[in-house]
Amino acid sequence: DGGITQSPKYLFRKEGQNVTLSCEQNLNHDAMYWYRQDPGQGLRLIYYSQIVNDFQKGDIAEGYSVSREKKESFPLTVTSAQKNPTAFYLCASTRQGSIQPQHFGDGTRLSIL
Amino acid sequence: GQQLNQSPQSMFIQEGEDVSMNCTSSSIFNTWLWYKQDPGEGPVLLIALYKAGELTSNGRLTAQFGITRKDSFLNISASIPSDVGIYFCAGQLGGANSKLTFGKGITLSVRP
Repeated sequence: DGGITQSPKYLFRKEGQNVTLSCEQNLNHDAMYWYRQDPGQGLRLIYYSQIVNDFQKGDIAEGYSVSREKKESFPLTVTSAQKNPTAFYLCASTRQGSIQPQHFGDGTRLSIL
Repeated sequence: GQQLNQSPQSMFIQEGEDVSMNCTSSSIFNTWLWYKQDPGEGPVLLIALYKAGELTSNGRLTAQFGITRKDSFLNISASIPSDVGIYFCAGQLGGANSKLTFGKGITLSVRP
């Protein structure tokens, strides 16, 4: 089955530690996105990538980093510079040049120990 | 920046009732999307709207793209318990791979 896979489902981070969230898609989509969701809030865009080896900052990129070395993979690193990392993180993808809307993975919940 | 307004934050209805949700913006959008999110899962696309005035149905769901391009509504008819969840609207100004702007969502509860 084609889809977007995020792992792990739950992740715990110690103070001062970097953690990496995985997002893989086998839909052959060009564009991939990372969103952060806080309780009672809409989704806010962290980073996005429209092609391999290229990515742009979203609205809340500070304290996060990404890479796009392969079309199907777009990992997100939450660095120690992100002082309030506890949130639900969602990855999405879509095909470039189509009218197809973004489809989402099932998310990773990050908590601070 | 662009913002989408959804209110109220929560809605409580009886099973079998219809419910309507609005989404408004101070800016225009070229595409309106409605997503539903169940607890602990990612949002699932319900309806996509691409043209001002467009009215689209998906089963018991109907959504419309406002003529001013600054609003959209979603209607759920004959609600059932599995309609419980958070309903988000999202607007898009560019093509499919352009950024989405999301509303804060409406949490819908359905009493049996």
